[in-house]
Amino acid sequence: QKEVEQNSGPLSVPEGAIASLNCTYSDRGSQSFFWYRQYSGKSPELIMSIYSNGDKEDGRFTAQLNKASQYVSLLIRDSQPSDSATYLCAGGYSGAGSYQLTFGKGTKLSVIP
Amino acid sequence: GAVVSQHPSRVICKSGTSVKIECRSLDFQATTMFWYRQFPKQSLMLMATSNEGSKATYEQGVEKDKFLINHASLTLSTLTVTSAHPEDSSFYICSAKVVTAYEQYFGPGTRLTVT
Repeated sequence: QKEVEQNSGPLSVPEGAIASLNCTYSDRGSQSFFWYRQYSGKSPELIMSIYSNGDKEDGRFTAQLNKASQYVSLLIRDSQPSDSATYLCAGGYSGAGSYQLTFGKGTKLSVIP
Repeated sequence: GAVVSQHPSRVICKSGTSVKIECRSLDFQATTMFWYRQFPKQSLMLMATSNEGSKATYEQGVEKDKFLINHASLTLSTLTVTSAHPEDSSFYICSAKVVTAYEQYFGPGTRLTVT
């Protein structure tokens, strides 16, 4: 059973602080991981993808992957109220003749002005 | 780049009727498209995977005769909800990927209400 676990939150941080979102996965065969942001009533939007152990930075976002611990995280620096959303962690695996994603249930982030 | 559109964005239909939802990749060729369903305050549930020119592969518990999927071209996939019932009311979202990458890009979703 391929599972991706996330703390559902809500996670509240003050504006300007660092928000830290975490995710663990069960399938050691997963090679790629993704963070999506989903605003209420909207569809998910891809923020970051990470394939190798270590950190990957893109603007205010940093994704971290530790395959030995089966752990993925997303750091959001200088958090803004517009970052308030649900963040979905996903792990990729081969299945059904294609590459599929298993999603966690998401962590709701609230950035307080 | 990587823009996916869906039509309609919102639809209300009567119980027993069928509804077709279109998913298009606008600026890339999508060898694979996925259809998800999301109930309020729940995560995405994969319904089926659709490879261009092939029959869709449905997830366990998803009725293939009720949710008809067609992926006739590299830029278009359709989901038809047949004989809709109120319990089919949900947020249906498609996504698309290219063969050379792992990322999935989502359409804006279709909110279906069956009365």
